[in-house]
Amino acid sequence: KQEVTQIPAALSVPEGENLVLNCSFTDSAIYNLQWFRQDPGKGLTSLLLIQSSQREQTSGRLNASLDKSSGRSTLYIAASQPGDSATYLCAVSSGAGSYQLTFGKGTKLSVIP
Amino acid sequence: EPEVTQTPSHQVTQMGQEVILRCVPISNHLYFYWYRQILGQKVEFLVSFYNNEISEKSEIFDDQFSVERPDGSNFTLKIRSTKLEDSAMYFCAEWRAGKIYGYTFGSGTRLTVV
Repeated sequence: KQEVTQIPAALSVPEGENLVLNCSFTDSAIYNLQWFRQDPGKGLTSLLLIQSSQREQTSGRLNASLDKSSGRSTLYIAASQPGDSATYLCAVSSGAGSYQLTFGKGTKLSVIP
Repeated sequence: EPEVTQTPSHQVTQMGQEVILRCVPISNHLYFYWYRQILGQKVEFLVSFYNNEISEKSEIFDDQFSVERPDGSNFTLKIRSTKLEDSAMYFCAEWRAGKIYGYTFGSGTRLTVV
């Protein structure tokens, strides 16, 4: 059974700092990995999706990397802003069956002005 | 960008009552899903729906739950006899292939069972 772990559980940084969020998964036979952002009491906003054959994806100040063999992904946020404050979720799809996602518990990020 | 729409945004119900949560997905997608998130816990997979039938379900999705796509557009999750532990945020989601590839989640329905 796939397990997804995210470290740290919470992170507080001053505005402007670069930061890295970590995600690890136990079964390397994944189809894809997706990073989401969740604001309090809200839905999930897709940030980046990495196919199992890819090493990284970039969107603006965000860069996600994937090392499938070691079961790890990182989300790098450059020049953090207070508006980046949210919980960041990592989720993996095994590809078997119906491509459903297995989620980590998330990293709660606070960017201090 | 097209959105997945869920209604209601918040529902309060008495224990033992039936509830129906609704989702309007974006059309022409492959898989539809229901997930739930109990406060402070992980987002958990409930069920996937493909070609108008259940494709896969988790152990959470017991006989109290059912899904339908009654009119080819709306996608519903029914909980027959709600329990206090069913209180959670319920998300509808879909999987898209092709030019716009990936998962899209709705904004969720917060279900409170009292």
